[in-house]
Amino acid sequence: GAVVSQHPSWVICKSGTSVKIECRSLDFQATTMFWYRQFPKQSLMLMATSNEGSKATYEQGVEKDKFLINHASLTLSTLTVTSAHPEDSSFYICRPSGSSDTQYFGPGTRLTVL
Amino acid sequence: GENVEQHPSTLSVQEGDSAVIKCTYSDSASNYFPWYKQELGKRPQLIIDIRSNVGEKKDQRIAVTLNKTAKHFSLHITETQPEDSAVYFCAASKRGGGNKLTFGTGTQLKVEL
Repeated sequence: GAVVSQHPSWVICKSGTSVKIECRSLDFQATTMFWYRQFPKQSLMLMATSNEGSKATYEQGVEKDKFLINHASLTLSTLTVTSAHPEDSSFYICRPSGSSDTQYFGPGTRLTVL
Repeated sequence: GENVEQHPSTLSVQEGDSAVIKCTYSDSASNYFPWYKQELGKRPQLIIDIRSNVGEKKDQRIAVTLNKTAKHFSLHITETQPEDSAVYFCAASKRGGGNKLTFGTGTQLKVEL
């Protein structure tokens, strides 16, 4: 399966600060990156879809100015949670997609906002 | 857009018994249906998938069936073991796994000794 890394694996921050999460596809070129959020005991909810070199497309109800997505290269995409608040505490997971079908997720980032 | 429903939300079985989880989808254009297993605090792991040109697929103790007419698909786990305990998610997509996946709400499976 595809090798996907995410950094950091967990982060604790104070309310009002910004947090950047990196997702790297290590063995293939990710032309598309899907970012998901998962609250405890809930399903994965797609936040946004980004294509390399283009602006991300956000799902309904997801604030694009709060969740900044950058997909500047075929191997790296970043999600920045700006001015984080306790309700943003969640498990954030990326899923890269390339020329072939890929169904593999990154290991996830556990964000806790105090 | 696509809507995927999943039942049951919790399932408890005795070790050695079979477990069945069912999903329905709304978009007849969906043609790819993966199943994921997620252990606590970890990423979802793909365990099996099926495409719309196939009615059934099996991999050791795990099988998936697809009924395109009724727009539902099911996960079957036989001879369950304690390590099968996890949350299972079904998903649907219109074009392979590279496209947008819509997930079901998940099933918490508990295999009891």
